[in-house]
Amino acid sequence: GAGVSQTPSNKVTEKGKYVELRCDPISGHTALYWYRQSLGQGPEFLIYFQGTGAADDSGLPNDRFFAVRPEGSVSTLKIQRTERGDSAVYLCASSLRGPGNTIYFGEGSWLTVV
Amino acid sequence: KQEVTQIPAALSVPEGENLVLNCSFTDSAIYNLQWFRQDPGKGLTSLLLIQSSQREQTSGRLNASLDKSSGRSTLYIAASQPGDSATYLCAVRTSGSRLTFGEGTQLTVNP
Repeated sequence: GAGVSQTPSNKVTEKGKYVELRCDPISGHTALYWYRQSLGQGPEFLIYFQGTGAADDSGLPNDRFFAVRPEGSVSTLKIQRTERGDSAVYLCASSLRGPGNTIYFGEGSWLTVV
Repeated sequence: KQEVTQIPAALSVPEGENLVLNCSFTDSAIYNLQWFRQDPGKGLTSLLLIQSSQREQTSGRLNASLDKSSGRSTLYIAASQPGDSATYLCAVRTSGSRLTFGEGTQLTVNP
C-alpha cells in the first residue's frame, strides 16, 4: 500500500476487555514497530519485528501486551484485561530493512478504556 | 538511559519568520536522529533523517543539523507558513531498534 495502515482508527472498550489492533505496513518493508503515545508526550517504543520474529520486545509494559506478525507483513497488537491506563494512541511504523532507514508511521489507533 | 529534550515546548510566530527548534540528548553514542511532524489527531510524518556520520540534512525550507559530540540537533524552518503549524518531534536511535522521542515543540504560525 501507499502508507502504513492501521485499524481501527478509534476503539472504546470497557475495563477488563480484550483488544486487538491491526497494522498493515508499507509493501516490501521488512521492519515493523509498535509505539504508544499518551497525550502531550512523545511516542514510547513497544516492540520491533524483523520479518516474522520479534527482534526486540523490551518496550512491552507487562505480560498483558503481546504482538504477532505471522507472515512477515500484517501485525496485530493484542492487549488483555485492559486497564484505564492503557488509554493512548497506538502507533505502528515500518521501514525498508531496519532502524537505520527512515521510519514511516501510520495514523494510529486511538484506544480509550472506560 | 537516553533522554531527549526539546525546547521550546511551544512557539508562536508570525508568517514569514525564520525559526529554530532545538533538540538535545544525553547519550551522544547515537546511530541516527530523525525529525518528525505531527498534526493534531494524526500520525507522524518523517521530515529529515541524519545519520551519525552526517552534520546536516536539507529538504526544501527545512534544514536539520547534528552535533553529536555536544548532544544537540536543530531544525531550521525558513520563511514559515501557516501550513507549518504542527508539533515537531525529535527522535534518536541509540542502540538496537528503538527510537527515543522528545516531547515535541508545538509550533503555531500566524497569518
